[in-house]
Amino acid sequence: AQTVTQSQPEMSVQEAETVTLSCTYDTSESDYYLFWYKQPPSRQMILVIRQEAYKQQNATENRFSVNFQKAAKSFSLKISDSQLGDAAMYFCAYRTGNNNDMRFGAGTRLTVKP
Amino acid sequence: EPEVTQTPSHQVTQMGQEVILRCVPISNHLYFYWYRQILGQKVEFLVSFYNNEISEKSEIFDDQFSVERPDGSNFTLKIRSTKLEDSAMYFCASSELSSWETQYFGPGTRLLVL
Repeated sequence: AQTVTQSQPEMSVQEAETVTLSCTYDTSESDYYLFWYKQPPSRQMILVIRQEAYKQQNATENRFSVNFQKAAKSFSLKISDSQLGDAAMYFCAYRTGNNNDMRFGAGTRLTVKP
Repeated sequence: EPEVTQTPSHQVTQMGQEVILRCVPISNHLYFYWYRQILGQKVEFLVSFYNNEISEKSEIFDDQFSVERPDGSNFTLKIRSTKLEDSAMYFCASSELSSWETQYFGPGTRLLVL
């Protein structure tokens, strides 16, 4: 079974500091995709960053980067220079290359302190 | 920037009633999805839809559920006879060219079954 685990229900970071959100997944597939979605309060989920499993290079999007450890099945999200607008629920998600069934983690609620 | 929209934002219904949740995917997208999130639980995949037919569905998507694209813009989820356990947030999503493309989510419809 493909599962996604986010072991941190809540995290807190000081504005301008760096925070890392953890995510692990379980799969026997070789072709898959990993995502981090952000859900601000009362707003829709938006894609933060995605990683194709066949790519060795870690994805980066401005202040957001991932540490993709394929052998360890780990996919953490690093947010640098945290801003107040980064406060949200963050979901890690996984999908294989063959189907549409996207599996989500339980989410990590990130608080940014001014 | 184009967005997925959903109506209504909130729906309250009596157990046993039928509800229809509506979604307008991004206009040039070809793949459509429904997910649900029961309060305090993970986001769960329900169904994907492509070329006017269901391409994949989860075990949650039983005979009580149906999806339809009644015209060129709307994508609906119907629950025929709602149960208390159908109370959840329902998210619609769409992706552009193929199922491995990034999925863009709507803001969700919060359904409460009494």
